[in-house]
Amino acid sequence: DGGITQSPKYLFRKEGQNVTLSCEQNLNHDAMYWYRQDPGQGLRLIYYSQIVNDFQKGDIAEGYSVSREKKESFPLTVTSAQKNPTAFYLCASSMNTGELFFGEGSRLTVL
Amino acid sequence: GDSVTQMEGPVTLSEEAFLTINCTYTATGYPSLFWYVQYPGEGLQLLLKATKADDKGSNKGFEATYRKETTSFHLEKGSVQVSDSAVYFCARKNNNAGNMLTFGGGTRLMVKP
Repeated sequence: DGGITQSPKYLFRKEGQNVTLSCEQNLNHDAMYWYRQDPGQGLRLIYYSQIVNDFQKGDIAEGYSVSREKKESFPLTVTSAQKNPTAFYLCASSMNTGELFFGEGSRLTVL
Repeated sequence: GDSVTQMEGPVTLSEEAFLTINCTYTATGYPSLFWYVQYPGEGLQLLLKATKADDKGSNKGFEATYRKETTSFHLEKGSVQVSDSAVYFCARKNNNAGNMLTFGGGTRLMVKP
């Protein structure tokens, strides 16, 4: 079945460590996105990519990095520069219709 | 800039009650509008959408009508069930380059038996 797969579902990080969240899609979508969701809040855009080898900062890109070497993959690295990384991270992809398809999310907790 | 405003939750209803969750958007052009639903611990799923004025999106008993004159896209359901308990997000497609969506803050719905 086609869809978006995020891994891991749960991740624990010590302060000062970088971690990478995986996002893979087999929908043949050109565009991919990373959102952050905090408890009781809406979604905030971290990074997005509309085509392979190109990506743009969203509203809260500081402390994060991404790559888009393949159409299917858009990994997000949460660096030690991100001061408050504990959150629920959502990856999504889309076609030109504007409808976003989301993964199941990854919950990151800093110990 | 583009924005979406939703009523704050939580909204607590008894089973079979009527549901309305308000959503308004900034009127820059004619954006496509969406409602997404998020069940506990999961990602977001598209619930319904409308792409032009007066369109009505519907799915699983939920409806929302694209009202250009009031820049609104309120979500309604005639009879909620316990299984409808979730967080609901209103969103608009931005008119700038790309297909990014701007989301409202989400409204938590709790339905009690």
